[in-house]
Amino acid sequence: GAVVSQHPSWVICKSGTSVKIECRSLDFQATTMFWYRQFPKQSLMLMATSNEGSKATYEQGVEKDKFLINHASLTLSTLTVTSAHPEDSSFYICSARDWRSEYNEQFFGPGTRLTVL
Amino acid sequence: SQQGEEDPQALSIQEGENATMNCSYKTSINNLQWYRQNSGRGLVHLILIRSNEREKHSGRLRVTLDTSKKSSSLLITASRAADTASYFCATGAGGGNKLTFGTGTQLKVEL
Repeated sequence: GAVVSQHPSWVICKSGTSVKIECRSLDFQATTMFWYRQFPKQSLMLMATSNEGSKATYEQGVEKDKFLINHASLTLSTLTVTSAHPEDSSFYICSARDWRSEYNEQFFGPGTRLTVL
Repeated sequence: SQQGEEDPQALSIQEGENATMNCSYKTSINNLQWYRQNSGRGLVHLILIRSNEREKHSGRLRVTLDTSKKSSSLLITASRAADTASYFCATGAGGGNKLTFGTGTQLKVEL
């Protein structure tokens, strides 16, 4: 149980294009999902908290107009990197919190490697 | 930054030896979790310890928590080559669901 998937697993795009990444909780409902970014050999940095049916909450320094988040259902959140540039190249990881969990144990997706040329 | 610190940054041991990683954090917490990440992959949840717990075991893993020192340790006993990965601690605080990750320890277990 508690499986989270991400799609695509990797993507290469040209500078200026937009890329959408999907995060799905496969066997549980997730009222809250989280999006992280991880640069090589570094830790995970939280970008935003995605709440089903409401606007995402962005961390300080993260541009909400550049990183669009939509959490349209209890099992799906999407992150769209708009007008991507080479500095946006990174490993993007989502996680989902099982609504039944007493503590904020999060289950992580396998990540999406974004390379912007 | 509220990010926790982990040490060592890198650890190389022989198979069969024990590996100990330490995590320090800055604020009061509700719980502390340890995750494992294989290179280029997502995170796997290993163990959660609540703020009112001092020690917890799961298989070959032993986690301690000292809230007075704002620190935790992860011990992996009888390490295997397959334990080679990065290990992160993450703290949860307040009423929210956010996790704050430590800087991570890269563990290499050699045959």
